[in-house]
Amino acid sequence: KAGVTQTPRYLIKTRGQQVTLSCSPISGHRSVSWYQQTPGQGLQFLFEYFSETQRNKGNFPGRFSGRQFSNSRSEMNVSTLELGDSALYLCASAYSGTGMIAGELFFGEGSRLTVL
Amino acid sequence: GQQLNQSPQSMFIQEGEDVSMNCTSSSIFNTWLWYKQDPGEGPVLLIALYKAGELTSNGRLTAQFGITRKDSFLNISASIPSDVGIYFCAGQLRTSYDKVIFGPGTSLSVIP
Repeated sequence: KAGVTQTPRYLIKTRGQQVTLSCSPISGHRSVSWYQQTPGQGLQFLFEYFSETQRNKGNFPGRFSGRQFSNSRSEMNVSTLELGDSALYLCASAYSGTGMIAGELFFGEGSRLTVL
Repeated sequence: GQQLNQSPQSMFIQEGEDVSMNCTSSSIFNTWLWYKQDPGEGPVLLIALYKAGELTSNGRLTAQFGITRKDSFLNISASIPSDVGIYFCAGQLRTSYDKVIFGPGTSLSVIP
């Protein structure tokens, strides 16, 4: 079974630009969550989508947005990039249904964003 | 917002030693989870705990859900080099459909 796929793996942007990251979940998983990982801060929750609807939201500014498509693939967008947005962005999918293990997330390898 | 605190922040141990790390919160959690992240990869679930006082093992790993529901600990026995990585505690506040909140992590280094 293919794992969670994130693209691109690495990217470099400059302040003020915008970026779109993509995530393809494990087949059959309808929940997709996004996290921002920076050294010392752990994983900060951005948002979670389930069946094309945002089900949970973290405490990030409106510059961070996301969406989910009917095939469960998800994208997140960051507009007006700031230096502090440099981070590893992790996507995680979950099987949200009967027999699921609550809290079990399957992570991709992440998209490493550098803002110059 | 809800926050998880982990200690220690980092550990350097000799191969074969036992390891203990813990996680605390000011909020009550219904689910406690422990994840491990290897370099260059995403975190992987090690153990999930759903009941106050629950003690669960997974091989050399043992974790407990604190009685107050505000803390959890993870023990690793007889550490080996492949135990190196970052260990995250995580939790869900209420239902199984809640967001999963992660702590800042404990970095473990094992000296052969």
